Amino acid sequence: AQTVTQSQPEMSVQEAETVTLSCTYDTSESDYYLFWYKQPPSRQMILVIRQEAYKQQNATENRFSVNFQKAAKSFSLKISDSQLGDAAMYFCAYRRGNFGNEKLTFGTGTRLTIIP
Amino acid sequence: DADVTQTPRNRITKTGKRIMLECSQTKGHDRMYWYRQDPGLGLRLIYYSFDVKDINKGEISDGYSVSRQAQAKFSLSLESAIPNQTALYFCATSDDRGHGYTFGSGTRLTVV
Repeated sequence: AQTVTQSQPEMSVQEAETVTLSCTYDTSESDYYLFWYKQPPSRQMILVIRQEAYKQQNATENRFSVNFQKAAKSFSLKISDSQLGDAAMYFCAYRRGNFGNEKLTFGTGTRLTIIP
Repeated sequence: DADVTQTPRNRITKTGKRIMLECSQTKGHDRMYWYRQDPGLGLRLIYYSFDVKDINKGEISDGYSVSRQAQAKFSLSLESAIPNQTALYFCATSDDRGHGYTFGSGTRLTVV
């Protein structure tokens, strides 16, 4: 079974600085998707960024980017110019790529605190 | 209106009571899911449904049942609630093209 590991239960960063959240996963598949979700105190789950395993280029969304290392099975999230609104729980998630396997497997989350 | 609506938003119930959590979506997707979130454990899959006639157990289905009343509706039932079912419950829907999930706003359930 696939597993997703987030080894940092909590992280903190100074406002305007850069922070990287770690995620590793275990799979024998070659076709899959990886995601980062943000859960602010409102508890809504918000998709931050998505990466397809067959794409070598790292995904970016404004201040959010990933470092996808397929051979190392690593998928870290970098947040640049941190803002107070980035304070949240962040979950890494994995799903297999083939049709009929859209279930997501989540990591245990990293709580990010932004220090003003 | 939200793409995925969950009701109720919060609920306190007593041990042994039957409770139903409801979910409806307007995305037009076939895939729907129920997850529970516990501190330190992330989100774990309870049940999922790929269409109205297809329902599957997830990794933690014991003590739960589901009903897919229509493409847009997927409800979760606790037949006899127990305190360790206290958690935040999420419903979600997805397409089949890897675009990720759309989540509801969650139901916080407390069993006393």
